[in-house]
Amino acid sequence: EVQLVESGGGLVQPGGSLRLSCAASGFTLSGYWMSWVRRAPGRGLEWVANINQDGSEKHYVDSVKGRFVISRDNAKNSLYLQMNSLRAEDTAVYFCARSSGWLPAYWGQGTLVTVSS
Amino acid sequence: EIVLTQSPGTLSLSPGERATLSCRASQSVNDNYLAWYQQKPGQSPRLLIYGASSRTTGIPDRFSGSGSGTDFTLTISRLEPEDFAVYFCQQYGNSPLTFGGGTKVETK
Repeated sequence: EVQLVESGGGLVQPGGSLRLSCAASGFTLSGYWMSWVRRAPGRGLEWVANINQDGSEKHYVDSVKGRFVISRDNAKNSLYLQMNSLRAEDTAVYFCARSSGWLPAYWGQGTLVTVSS
Repeated sequence: EIVLTQSPGTLSLSPGERATLSCRASQSVNDNYLAWYQQKPGQSPRLLIYGASSRTTGIPDRFSGSGSGTDFTLTISRLEPEDFAVYFCQQYGNSPLTFGGGTKVETK
């Protein structure tokens, strides 16, 4: 059974950092593009970043470029999102998703990030 | 960036009725790489339709997608109680990937 379990969310002050993790099981992580997508309270979905199978290609939404870094460790079946210089507008539930090409096809349950003083 | 505009914002219908949801893109979606997701409160989004009209495995055939270029439609032929949720369209043919603002299908 495919499972994606996010962790690492929590409360952080503006300007702070947080590292999200996504543990994958039930499939071979190295065979898939992976994505991070977020949903802010009361708002819609926003794609954040994606990464190809070996980590050599990465794409980001403009609002996080230079602040967030997506990475993966296929040997550990894990995806990561390093978030720096966090802002209030980054407050959201963050989902990792196994992608079919660039299509986020199977999603985890999400982890809540709250940026507030 | 391709902007996706969904309409209506809210659709109030009764079980058994037909739901028609619209998604309009600000420019043509490459290769019709347009997907539809369903999201219920407290749950993660579930992929229903990809490539504008292909149903994901396990999705009931009352869900259908159509359209091309800039105009796309999700149709639920007969609403079941479990279909009341928020629906998002998404284009994945260009970076950045973008989502529509969502249509909430609520019980009338």
